[in-house]
Amino acid sequence: KQEVTQIPAALSVPEGENLVLNCSFTDSAIYNLQWFRQDPGKGLTSLLLIQSSQREQTSGRLNASLDKSSGRSTLYIAASQPGDSATYLCAPQDFQKLVFGTGTRLLVSP
Amino acid sequence: DGGITQSPKYLFRKEGQNVTLSCEQNLNHDAMYWYRQDPGQGLRLIYYSQIVNDFQKGDIAEGYSVSREKKESFPLTVTSAQKNPTAFYLCASSMETRTGGNQPQHFGDGTRLSIL
Repeated sequence: KQEVTQIPAALSVPEGENLVLNCSFTDSAIYNLQWFRQDPGKGLTSLLLIQSSQREQTSGRLNASLDKSSGRSTLYIAASQPGDSATYLCAPQDFQKLVFGTGTRLLVSP
Repeated sequence: DGGITQSPKYLFRKEGQNVTLSCEQNLNHDAMYWYRQDPGQGLRLIYYSQIVNDFQKGDIAEGYSVSREKKESFPLTVTSAQKNPTAFYLCASSMETRTGGNQPQHFGDGTRLSIL
């Protein structure tokens, strides 16, 4: 059974810092991995999807990498802003289903 | 604008009562999903459907039921058999994934269910 761990559970940084969120998963037989953002009391917003054949994917200030063989993915956020404050979730896809970690709660202070 | 609409935003259930959560999408997606989110836990899959008139149990299907009579709609019923229904429920959809693969899931804004 796939298990997903996200470290750290919470992170507080001043505005402008570059930061890295980590995700590890136990079963490397995945189709892809998605990173999501969740604001308090809201649904999930898809940030990036990395296919199993890819090593990384970029969107604006976000860069996600995937090392399938070691069961790891990282989300890199450049030049963080207060608007980036949210919970970030990673979810590898096992065939038809996503399996979620518990997330990293990020607070970026002005 | 295309998207996923969940209603109601807040819902209260009395003891012994069944309640139904609505999920509608106009993205022309084939697959739809229901997740449950509890504090401190990751999202857990309740049911999913790859095509109209077909659905499969997820990891925590007990006490829930679904139907998929239309492509756009995937309602979730929380039955009285679900003894701990208080949670945040999220609906999602994606393009067809019967062959597995690389279609992102898009989410609604959720329904928060509480017990009276």
